[in-house]
Amino acid sequence: EIVLTQSPATLSLSPGERATLSCRASQSIRNYLAWYQQKPGQAPRLLIYDASNRATGIPARFSGSGSGTDFTLTISSLEPEDFAVYSCHQRSDWPYAFGQGTKLEIK
Amino acid sequence: QVQLQESGPGLVKASETLSLTCTVSGGSVSSGSCYWSWIRQPPGQGLEWIGYIYSSGSTNYNPSLKSRVTISVDTSKNQFSLKLSSVTAADTAVYYCASAPITMGLTFEYWGQGTPVTVSS
Repeated sequence: EIVLTQSPATLSLSPGERATLSCRASQSIRNYLAWYQQKPGQAPRLLIYDASNRATGIPARFSGSGSGTDFTLTISSLEPEDFAVYSCHQRSDWPYAFGQGTKLEIK
Repeated sequence: QVQLQESGPGLVKASETLSLTCTVSGGSVSSGSCYWSWIRQPPGQGLEWIGYIYSSGSTNYNPSLKSRVTISVDTSKNQFSLKLSSVTAADTAVYYCASAPITMGLTFEYWGQGTPVTVSS
């Protein structure tokens, strides 16, 4: 079973700063990784799929990279609405699992 | 754009069966274009994929829940449903239904708003 480990657990930054979030898989998942954003009381929202493809309507400040076991979500310049929990998800191997999430909070 | 809406009891007694329904609009559960999925999130925890059903009726479940889970589809109502038997307090969570386009594999593009379910003793 593939395990996704996200780091850091919490990231404290200010608006305008660059955010770099990591997701590491316990074995290769090729590029079959997605990133989701979740705000309190809301459903997750798809940001990035297949490691680097932005979903429909997602701003260009969000980008994804990586393949194999190491993946990164980058937010180039944080907007106030970007502070949320970010989760990664793999669809490479059964059972398809999520990471535990990184909380991006305002510093 | 596909819209999904969960419905069902918010309180279930331990050892009983949890039953939820997801009503789909803006798309068809029988179209063959999506995997129709259930995902849950226990309080303060991460997301857990429960399983999916395809328009053909084929299903796939998380092995950790497989013995207790049934997902079915009602094409006449454009709905799909989740049944989770023998529930315990560990099944207390917000339950989401979601759609994953075939072209994107099991990538969940659209989500319902979620429905909280509490298992009481």
